[in-house]
Amino acid sequence: AQSVTQLDSQVPVFEEAPVELRCNYSSSVSVYLFWYVQYPNQGLQLLLKYLSGSTLVKGINGFEAEFNKSQTSFHLRKPSVHISDTAEYFCAVSERSQGNLIFGKGTKLSVKP
Amino acid sequence: DTAVSQTPKYLVTQMGNDKSIKCEQNLGHDTMYWYKQDSKKFLKIMFSYNNKELIINETVPNRFSPKSPDKAHLNLHINSLELGDSAVYFCASSPSSLGYTFGSGTRLTVV
Repeated sequence: AQSVTQLDSQVPVFEEAPVELRCNYSSSVSVYLFWYVQYPNQGLQLLLKYLSGSTLVKGINGFEAEFNKSQTSFHLRKPSVHISDTAEYFCAVSERSQGNLIFGKGTKLSVKP
Repeated sequence: DTAVSQTPKYLVTQMGNDKSIKCEQNLGHDTMYWYKQDSKKFLKIMFSYNNKELIINETVPNRFSPKSPDKAHLNLHINSLELGDSAVYFCASSPSSLGYTFGSGTRLTVV
């Protein structure tokens, strides 16, 4: 069975600073990897996804993530954050053979002025 | 056009009542899902349904039942509501395992 671990429950950061949100996964089969963002009182929006090919994936709002198979990680990065990036970020994994998304517990990113 | 729409957005009801949450997708996706997000923001899959197969998370109480009148709809019916059912419920759809499109959620409060 798959599992996802988001290593930080909260990440406070100042505006215009870089940020990395960490995600590790566990699976015995090949997987697809995703990052979703949830703004306060809203639904989940797909930021980016890794399906195959280049291990560096670029998403919306200036975010990118790198798939590292040997370390079973899929960390999310942004070189300079904005106040508007304040939200909950979820890493998720699905097995290639079936579609159920398994989510991590989320990381709350708080960007301060 | 909203891709995945849920109604109602907010639902406040008393313990013991029966309620339904509706979900519709206009993306032509084959599979639909229900997730529950608890007060700690943890997202847990409840059901997946692709017109042929209903997969139920075994931890979901049988008071919860999905009902799909057609491929574009997957409603969630809840019997005998309990305080612990208070949560945000998200509907989602996907064409395969390539990622979901989520609805905006239904915040259920049981009093």
